[in-house]
Amino acid sequence: DIQMTQSPSTLSASVGDRVTITCRASQNINIWLAWYQQKPGKAPNLLIYKASTLESGVPSRFSGSGSGTEFTLTISSLQPGDFATYYCQQYNTYSRTFGQGTKVEIK
Amino acid sequence: QVQLQESGPGLVKPSETLSLTCRVSGASVSSGNYYWSWIRQPPGERPEWIGYIFYTGSTNYNPSLESRVSISADKSKNQFSLRVRSVTATDTAVYFCARDALDGIDYWGQGTLVTVSS
Repeated sequence: DIQMTQSPSTLSASVGDRVTITCRASQNINIWLAWYQQKPGKAPNLLIYKASTLESGVPSRFSGSGSGTEFTLTISSLQPGDFATYYCQQYNTYSRTFGQGTKVEIK
Repeated sequence: QVQLQESGPGLVKPSETLSLTCRVSGASVSSGNYYWSWIRQPPGERPEWIGYIFYTGSTNYNPSLESRVSISADKSKNQFSLRVRSVTATDTAVYFCARDALDGIDYWGQGTLVTVSS
């Protein structure tokens, strides 16, 4: 099984801040990585796929990078609606696994 | 607009079988471009992929659940279903049905909380 590890687990930031979340895979997953945003009581929402491709309708302040085993999600200027939990998810094999999540909270 | 809606009991007794159905609108479970998936999320934890069914009827499951899980589809009703046998309290979670676009999971149901308790 491919394990996904995110850091940090919690991130305190202010509106306008640039924030970066890291996701590491336990083995090479090429670019087969997605990022999701989840708000309390809601389903996750796809932000990025193929490590760096922005899903339609997602603001351009979100960006992704990386390949192999190390990936990052960056929010260039944090907006009030961005305070949420973010998950990475690999789809390199037939199975899918999620990271443990990074909660972005108000500083 | 693609929509998915889960339905099924919110309370299941230990050792019994959990059964959920996902009704799909705006897309077809007969489409060859997607995996129709089940994902669950215990309270306060990360999502856990359960498995999916392809339009051919082929399935893939999380190895940790494979011995207790089955997913099937009813093309005539445009829906797919999940069964989890011999449930315990650790199966308590919000269960989501979703469309896996092979490049990310692009549509999700709203989720349904299933509690395992006597």
